[in-house]
Amino acid sequence: EPEVTQTPSHQVTQMGQEVILRCVPISNHLYFYWYRQILGQKVEFLVSFYNNEISEKSEIFDDQFSVERPDGSNFTLKIRSTKLEDSAMYFCASKRGPGGTQYFGPGTRLLVL
Amino acid sequence: AQSVTQLDSQVPVFEEAPVELRCNYSSSVSVYLFWYVQYPNQGLQLLLKYLSGSTLVESINGFEAEFNKSQTSFHLRKPSVHISDTAEYFCAVSGVSGNTPLVFGKGTRLSVIA
Repeated sequence: EPEVTQTPSHQVTQMGQEVILRCVPISNHLYFYWYRQILGQKVEFLVSFYNNEISEKSEIFDDQFSVERPDGSNFTLKIRSTKLEDSAMYFCASKRGPGGTQYFGPGTRLLVL
Repeated sequence: AQSVTQLDSQVPVFEEAPVELRCNYSSSVSVYLFWYVQYPNQGLQLLLKYLSGSTLVESINGFEAEFNKSQTSFHLRKPSVHISDTAEYFCAVSGVSGNTPLVFGKGTRLSVIA
C-alpha cells in the first residue's frame, strides 16, 4: 500500500541554523500539507500546497518557513533560522483530490538546541 | 472556521471493557470528520472517517463512530478494548470543499489496563 515517507526521522540542530525537512507524498496525490505537533500538544496546521503554490497557511507559518516541490516527487519544508520553539514533530500529509482523506507520514522529530 | 473539542485528555480502562472517546466540533459549513490514532513514538494513522452516507462508520479493528449532526458530535466507541489499543486518539474536522486543512482536537490518551 502506498504511503507518505519523511526524512530524516530525527534531526538535532543549533538555534539559528537552517533545516530542510523532506517528504515524499503518495504518487498520485495532488494536495500536500505540513503540520506540526509540539510535545504534549495538539497537531497544528502549518501550510497547504496545490498546483505548485501555497493554498493556505496558518499564522505559525511566518517568513522563516517556506515550502517547495522541487521535482515531481519531493515536498520540502525549510526553516531558515530555527528557534527553540520550533522543536516539534513535523508531519507531512497528502491527499488525492478535494475533499479526500489526508494520509500522514511518520513525522520528523526536530530538536533545536 | 472549525474547532474540535475532546473533553477527555486521558481515559484509563480495563482490558475487555467498553470505551467511548468523546469529540464535539463546531463549524459554520458542512464538514468531514476523522479519527486518527497515534501509537507511542509513531505517526498519525487514519482510524476511520465520515464523509457522507451512513452516519455510523467502522474501522477494521472494531472501533466505530457515529456522526450526530444535531449534537455536533463524532464520538468514538469500542465494545471491548485490548492492550494494543493503548494510544493517543485525535478527532479532526475539515470543510468539504477544496483544500481545507484538518483541524485537530487536543487528543485523548487511551490507556488500557490488564
